[in-house]
Amino acid sequence: GENVEQHPSTLSVQEGDSAVIKCTYSDSASNYFPWYKQELGKRPQLIIDIRSNVGEKKDQRIAVTLNKTAKHFSLHITETQPEDSAVYFCAAPVQGGSEKLVFGKGTKLTVNP
Amino acid sequence: DAEITQSPRHKITETGRQVTLACHQTWNHNNMFWYRQDLGHGLRLIHYSYGVQDTNKGEVSDGYSVSRSNTEDLPLTLESAASSQTSVYFCATRAAGSDTQYFGPGTRLTVL
Repeated sequence: GENVEQHPSTLSVQEGDSAVIKCTYSDSASNYFPWYKQELGKRPQLIIDIRSNVGEKKDQRIAVTLNKTAKHFSLHITETQPEDSAVYFCAAPVQGGSEKLVFGKGTKLTVNP
Repeated sequence: DAEITQSPRHKITETGRQVTLACHQTWNHNNMFWYRQDLGHGLRLIHYSYGVQDTNKGEVSDGYSVSRSNTEDLPLTLESAASSQTSVYFCATRAAGSDTQYFGPGTRLTVL
């Protein structure tokens, strides 16, 4: 089955700086990679995802890049704002195109004003 | 509006008691999942279902059971609660043919 490693576990940046969170996966057949944001006391919410036939996807200040050869994908947040402070989780299918997801352990992002 | 709800939102129980956490969705999604969230472990899959009468074990299923008698509900039962099951529990759904999982608001369970 899939194994997802997420780094770093904590990240502190100044407002306006960029933040990058990286995940690696083990199953080369994995084809879908979502990122979730979880604010304190709230549910995880999907913020962006990417399928394996695309190398990069952007949505305003957030982007996800995928390197299939190296089996890693990254979340990029530009021009960070205090409201970006949250825990971010990456995920990948348990096996190939499975509907089940395995999640990384999360990155706590703090944006300092 | 279609949604996913969980109840109760907070529960305190004693070791050895049976506890059932409810998950209800009005999206008519076939796929439903239960996760537990613990500090340092992220989200771990407990049980999941791809449709009525279908249930499957996930990564951390020991001590838990689920049943799926209709599309809308997937209750999670702790047969004999243990302190190690103190956690935040999230239910999630996914439509067949879609990638996105949507999470419920969560239930914080404390086992004393």
